[in-house]
Formats: sequence, structure tokens, C-alpha cells
Amino acid sequence: QQQVKQSPQSLIVQKGGISIINCAYENTAFDYFPWYQQFPGKGPALLIAIRPDVSEKKEGRFTISFNKSAKQFSLHIMDSQPGDSATYFCAAIPYNNNDMRFGAGTRLTVKP
Amino acid sequence: DAGVTQSPTHLIKTRGQQVTLRCSPKSGHDTVSWYQQALGQGPQFIFQYYEEEERQRGNFPDRFSGHQFPNYSSELNVNALLLGDSALYLCASSLTGQGGEKLFFGSGTQLSVL
Repeated sequence: QQQVKQSPQSLIVQKGGISIINCAYENTAFDYFPWYQQFPGKGPALLIAIRPDVSEKKEGRFTISFNKSAKQFSLHIMDSQPGDSATYFCAAIPYNNNDMRFGAGTRLTVKP
Repeated sequence: DAGVTQSPTHLIKTRGQQVTLRCSPKSGHDTVSWYQQALGQGPQFIFQYYEEEERQRGNFPDRFSGHQFPNYSSELNVNALLLGDSALYLCASSLTGQGGEKLFFGSGTQLSVL
């Protein structure tokens, strides 16, 4: 059922470094691409999202890069902090649809 | 402003039993979606309720059913539990008109089937 492939499964970054998580999709009907952050024992929380009509969106230290022709998008976390240590999920949802498809997740650890 | 609340937080059942999970949406939200999150996986869409009706369903068997009440709260029922139903069940609320995208998730109910 998974239509969004996410990599890597896990990622270790030093404090202050850049964390990069990649996702790829096949369904061209997807038209909204959010990223969620999940801490242990909590539900996912929306971090940042993008629509395919733009190639990049930046909110603070978080940036989504979107390549429509390659059907790929990625999350960049600049100046990574230990508090960013969490599991990150990319997701995608088609227009006028309620079935959001999630990637398998990336477990990010930021070492102090 | 209370966010999405789910109860119970943890539940242990045996195979063949039935379970009911509960969800209260974020204040002002009228739509509730349920997701199943297996260990180490992303959430999978079970179904969505709006105006007390199931609006859309994912690839889950009929053993999974739900209900939405006039106050927008919702229940997820699972009958004839299987070991494979062990997972974190997440409720997400949203406001119709903002699309299915802006989901606010609760902390989930951890269901263990023995």
C-alpha cells in the first residue's frame, strides 16, 4: 500500500550539521506533500508542507525541496539540534482525497 | 485549547476479542480520521468520518468499523482481533474545507493483542 518511499531509515548527525531526508513517489495525482515529526509516545505533528507548484519552501531551519519531474522531495534541517532527534515521516495526499500516504519514517539522532 | 485526545492510552486484548477506541477532536474540528501505525512503520489510513458518516475508507477489512457522534467525537471498533492488529492507533482531526491535509494527531492508543 505504501506509495511513498523514504530514505534513509536512520540518520545520525552532529549538532550544527545538516540533516537530509529523501522521499520518492509514483502517483502523479499527489498534490500535497507534508512532513511530520514524531517523538516517542506522541502522535505525528505537522512540520512543513509543500504543493507541487513550487520547488522549495523554507520555514526557519526546515526546508522542503521538491522536484516534480523526478517525483522526489526532501527535507533539509539546517543547524540540527539535539532537540530535533525524532522520527520524521514524509507523506503525500491526492487532490480531493483523504487517504494520506506516509513513508516508513527516518529516525534522526542529533549528537551534541 | 485542548488538542486531539484519545483513550485509553494502552490496551491489552486477546485474539478474537473486540475493542473500542475513543477520540475527541481538536476544538473547532468536525472531521476525524483514524490511522494504524505498526511498529517501525508510517501510519496507514483506516477511514474518515464527517457528519456522522464514513466518508472514505482505506484498505482495511470490515472488522474495522467506526462511528462519529453529534459532538464530532469518534470511536474505532475492531472485531475478532488478530495478532497482526497490534499497533498504535492514531486519531487525527481536521476542519472540512481546509482539505484532508491539515491533520492534527492525538498521541494514540497502543493496542497489544496476545
